[in-house]
Amino acid sequence: DSGVTQTPKHLITATGQRVTLRCSPRSGDLSVYWYQQSLDQGLQFLIQYYNGEERAKGNILERFSAQQFPDLHSELNLSSLELGDSALYFCASSVGVAGPQETQYFGPGTRLLVL
Amino acid sequence: GQNIDQPTEMTATEGAIVQINCTYQTSGFNGLFWYQQHAGEAPTFLSYNVLDGLEEKGRFSSFLSRSKGYSYLLLKELQMKDSASYLCAVRDRTDSWGKLQFGAGTQVVVTP
Repeated sequence: DSGVTQTPKHLITATGQRVTLRCSPRSGDLSVYWYQQSLDQGLQFLIQYYNGEERAKGNILERFSAQQFPDLHSELNLSSLELGDSALYFCASSVGVAGPQETQYFGPGTRLLVL
Repeated sequence: GQNIDQPTEMTATEGAIVQINCTYQTSGFNGLFWYQQHAGEAPTFLSYNVLDGLEEKGRFSSFLSRSKGYSYLLLKELQMKDSASYLCAVRDRTDSWGKLQFGAGTQVVVTP
């Protein structure tokens, strides 16, 4: 158990819908990262937050957005869902922005299925 | 950005040794990580290298050569539970201090 929690574990929804994935980082960690992992692609970085502020963006679609709240938990919002959005979504956390030795610890993931 | 290459799959026998290679290209290397991921589960941290040389952690060791853009993960005394995907990830300081670029992963199959 990494100490990172994610809810829900599974999510089934229909195309065109909107969902929210939630992540709570490890105690003391200020950075949160979101990743998408689909069967035909590896782990793709989406976005990073540090202490409430966006710090880096990766391959995140405009239909997706995220935020980190004052209590440091983070939410990833996915809207106008398409079949291709079906994937495992992981949240990871680390202590800081990252110094060289910052290690990211991953949550158990949310498996999203869009029908 | 980075290009990260690692073999797609490797098969080895229980009790044997397997070496997973990872090559990368980056403009501002700032650390290389190895993660283990069982199917459908979260990646779990195995090792970190930022300086050249070998880091040993029990049955797992990781090596880095920055001049060659090369790393390997060595798994010794293989056990059935080591069957998993092994992900090489590189941090590039010119892009973002925290962002990791992951390779596609190497699926290791351990046979009896």
